[in-house]
Amino acid sequence: EDQVTQSPEALRLQEGESSSLNCSYTVSGLRGLFWYRQDPGKGPEFLFTLYSAGEEKEKERLKATLTKKESFLHITAPKPEDSATYLCAVRRWDGSEKLVFGKGTKLTVNP
Amino acid sequence: DVKVTQSSRYLVKRTGEKVFLECVQDMDHENMFWYRQDPGLGLRLIYFSYDVKMKEKGDIPEGYSVSREKKERFSLILESASTNQTSMYLCASIPRGLNEKLFFGSGTQLSVL
Repeated sequence: EDQVTQSPEALRLQEGESSSLNCSYTVSGLRGLFWYRQDPGKGPEFLFTLYSAGEEKEKERLKATLTKKESFLHITAPKPEDSATYLCAVRRWDGSEKLVFGKGTKLTVNP
Repeated sequence: DVKVTQSSRYLVKRTGEKVFLECVQDMDHENMFWYRQDPGLGLRLIYFSYDVKMKEKGDIPEGYSVSREKKERFSLILESASTNQTSMYLCASIPRGLNEKLFFGSGTQLSVL
């Protein structure tokens, strides 16, 4: 059974304090790993897709990396507006486009 | 840009009522999905559809049904709403065969009293 585990469940940072969020996965044939950001009361907003181990993608203060077992979302010098829940999801080679999500990491960045 | 529209932002229903949640996408996507999101449980797939009149059960289909009569519209039906169906419901879509992001709607927060 596919499993996506995100850690920590919640993270509090001071503005400017860099850190990483973890997403470990067990899936029979990874087709893609996705990172989303979600603000309270809203739908998830797409951040990155990673397809193969060793791949990295960056956007502003965020950088996503992928290994064969896990993905990291690195946040460099975060700002209060980076506060959100970050979701990780995987898609496997089963003929469908469905995503299996982790439970998310709630990030709070204090000024 | 792709738009996925969920008909209601907030909905309050009574136990036992039949509830319809509607989702419309404007980009001719074959695949549409219904997820529910609960604190501490994350997003869980209820049902998905890969074409008109086609549907497949997700991980938690009990208590729900779906309807896909037109390509752009995917409806989630709660035949007899119960309090444990109070949740945020999210609709998403993507073209067939495309290994890209799901496009999400803004969600419907359903409260069953």
